[in-house]
Amino acid sequence: RKEVEQDPGPFNVPEGATVAFNCTYSNSASQSFFWYRQDCRKEPKLLMSVYSSGNEDGRFTAQLNRASQYISLLIRDSKLSDSATYLCVVNTYGNFNKFYFGSGTKLNVKP
Amino acid sequence: SAVISQKPSRDICQRGTSLTIQCQVDSQVTMMFWYRQQPGQSLTLIATANQGSEATYESGFVIDKFPISRPNLTFSTLTVSNMSPEDSSIYLCSVTHRAGGVPYNEQFFGPGTRLTVL
Repeated sequence: RKEVEQDPGPFNVPEGATVAFNCTYSNSASQSFFWYRQDCRKEPKLLMSVYSSGNEDGRFTAQLNRASQYISLLIRDSKLSDSATYLCVVNTYGNFNKFYFGSGTKLNVKP
Repeated sequence: SAVISQKPSRDICQRGTSLTIQCQVDSQVTMMFWYRQQPGQSLTLIATANQGSEATYESGFVIDKFPISRPNLTFSTLTVSNMSPEDSSIYLCSVTHRAGGVPYNEQFFGPGTRLTVL
C-alpha cells in the first residue's frame, strides 16, 4: 500500500467553481501534513501546511482528519491560474525525517 | 523560506558519462534531500544527504550510481554515474526549514535539473 494516495484526476472545472481534493495516508504516526502546488516543468512549491484544527488561506481551506487518516484541500472561486498539479505530502518524524509524496492531482480550470 | 539554487538547470548527456549536480542553499539547514521526478510522475526520494557522513539511500538507489557529497550545511552534490536513457529525469534538491513559531519542518525545493540522456 502506498504511503500517500491521491486521485490523479484530472479535475476539469470552470472558472469560479469550487473543487475539493482528498488524500489518504497509511502511517498513523505521521506528524505533519502539507499541500504543494506544482506547475508544469517547475519545482513543487509549498501551498499550505495543514494544521490539526484545519486552516484557511484566502480561497484555500485545508483540513485534517487523523481518525480517518485523511487530508483535504478545498479551492473556492477557482481561477485560471489555479491550474496545476496539487501534491499531498506527509511527514513522519524519526531518524530520517521523511516526507512522503502523493502522486498528485491535476487541476484544469477552464474559462 | 530558504533560497535554493541548482546547477546546471538542464543538460543533455551521452550514455555512459556522468553528471554532477550542485545544490546551494542561502542558509544553514539540517536536512537536505535529493529527489527524482520522471515525466508525468510524482517525486521519488533518492537519498538524504548527511553532512560529514555517507548519504542515506532509499530502496532502489545505490551509492555507486548516485554518489552524494555534503561537505557543509549549505551545499550538496549529486552525481548521476554511467548514465543511460532511463536516467532522463528532473533531479531536485530540497531542504527542510523550520519557520519561527511553526512546530515542524517544512520542505522547500530547488528549481531542479532537467537531464536528458541520449
